[in-house]
Amino acid sequence: GAVVSQHPSRVICKSGTSVKIECRSLDFQATTMFWYRQFPKQSLMLMATSNEGSKATYEQGVEKDKFLINHASLTLSTLTVTSAHPEDSSFYICSATASGAQETQYFGPGTRLLVL
Amino acid sequence: GENVEQHPSTLSVQEGDSAVIKCTYSDSASNYFPWYKQELGKRPQLIIDIRSNVGEKKDQRIAVTLNKTAKHFSLHITETQPEDSAVYFCAASKGGSYIPTFGRGTSLIVHP
Repeated sequence: GAVVSQHPSRVICKSGTSVKIECRSLDFQATTMFWYRQFPKQSLMLMATSNEGSKATYEQGVEKDKFLINHASLTLSTLTVTSAHPEDSSFYICSATASGAQETQYFGPGTRLLVL
Repeated sequence: GENVEQHPSTLSVQEGDSAVIKCTYSDSASNYFPWYKQELGKRPQLIIDIRSNVGEKKDQRIAVTLNKTAKHFSLHITETQPEDSAVYFCAASKGGSYIPTFGRGTSLIVHP
C-alpha cells in the first residue's frame, strides 16, 4: 500500500513554455502533499507544502508565481512550472502523507525536467 | 528551525564490511528520525526510523541508534552488499504533521 505516482517521468521543453507535473496517491487519501526539488548529487530541497482545498505554503526563496501548486483533491496535486528556463532543469519529487500516519512520507518516482 | 548535518558525504566500503552514517540535529524538540535510501534516478524509500523514546532499533542488517543528549543518530549497515549502494538521507522532525528536515545525503558505494 501507500503508493504515490508521478507523471510525466521525464519531460523536455523549450524555454518559455509551461510544464505541469501530476502527483497522485493511488491507494490512500493524502492529507498533505509536498514538492521537492533535487539537483544532481544533492539533497531534497522542499519547495512547498500543500493541503487539499487550501493554498500551498511555499518555502523561503521559492517563487509562488513561477511554481504554481494546485491540490484539488485528496489524491491529486499538480505543480506547474511556468515560463520554464534552463535553470529550472532539475529532478522534481512529490511526497504525500496519510491521515493517522503523518510522519511517514511516501515519495513519488520523480520527474526529470530538462529545459532547452 | 531545524538543522541536520550528515557525514560522510561519500562512503566507500568492501562487500561484507560495515558502514556507518552519522547525523546531528539542532532542535531538541525533534523526536522522529527516519532514514531513506535513494537509488540513482529513483524515489527515496524509507528503510528504518526511530523515535525518541528508544535508543536503538534494528531490522536485519540495518540498525539505527539515537543519542538524544548529544543530538545525534546513526545508521549502521552490516555485511554490506553491492545492492546497498545508493544515497542515504537522514531526517529529523517533531513528528506528527511537522515536515522533516533532511540531511545532505551520503553516497554509499559497496565494492564487490
